[in-house]
Amino acid sequence: EDKVVQSPLSLVVHEGDTVTLNCSYEVTNFRSLLWYKQEKKAPTFLFMLTSSGIEKKSGRLSSILDKKELFSILNITATQTGDSAVYLCPLRGSGGGADGLTFGKGTHLIIQP
Amino acid sequence: KAGVTQTPRYLIKTRGQQVTLSCSPISGHRSVSWYQQTPGQGLQFLFEYFSETQRNKGNFPGRFSGRQFSNSRSEMNVSTLELGDSALYLCASSSAQNTEAFFGQGTRLTVV
Repeated sequence: EDKVVQSPLSLVVHEGDTVTLNCSYEVTNFRSLLWYKQEKKAPTFLFMLTSSGIEKKSGRLSSILDKKELFSILNITATQTGDSAVYLCPLRGSGGGADGLTFGKGTHLIIQP
Repeated sequence: KAGVTQTPRYLIKTRGQQVTLSCSPISGHRSVSWYQQTPGQGLQFLFEYFSETQRNKGNFPGRFSGRQFSNSRSEMNVSTLELGDSALYLCASSSAQNTEAFFGQGTRLTVV
């Protein structure tokens, strides 16, 4: 059974700090790993990773995947209060062409001014 | 380009009733998947549809069902509602297999 473990579960930092969020996984048949930011309702898409070692970057956010060690990280530099949210890294695995996502518990990030 | 639209946004039902939730994917997207989010269990996969066919189903009882129409819009139905079915129900759409998935705002279901 596919599994996602995120750490830490909760993190409080000050504005301007850099944070690294961790996502490790177990999967039978890896297809992709995605990152989302969830503030109130709809998770907002950040990145989709399919290949090891290729960094995806968008502004102050970046993410990378290690398929050998089965983990991904999300980095946020120069954090702002608007970065406060729950960050999710669901896994798309299994077979049969199914696209369902397996979620972990998420990391609740709080940025203090 | 319109995003994923879920209706209704809020719903209050009584135990034993049934409910139908709707999800309209992004135009051109053919894959729709459904998730239940609760404080205790987080986000859990319910089922996924592609071109009107259910491709995968999560570990939920048979009271949870769904379907997809030829225009890719999807509905999920929960029969004989229980208090524990109170949750945020989210749907996500993708254009094709193994591509980015975009979520709707969700339907907040409260069972009393």
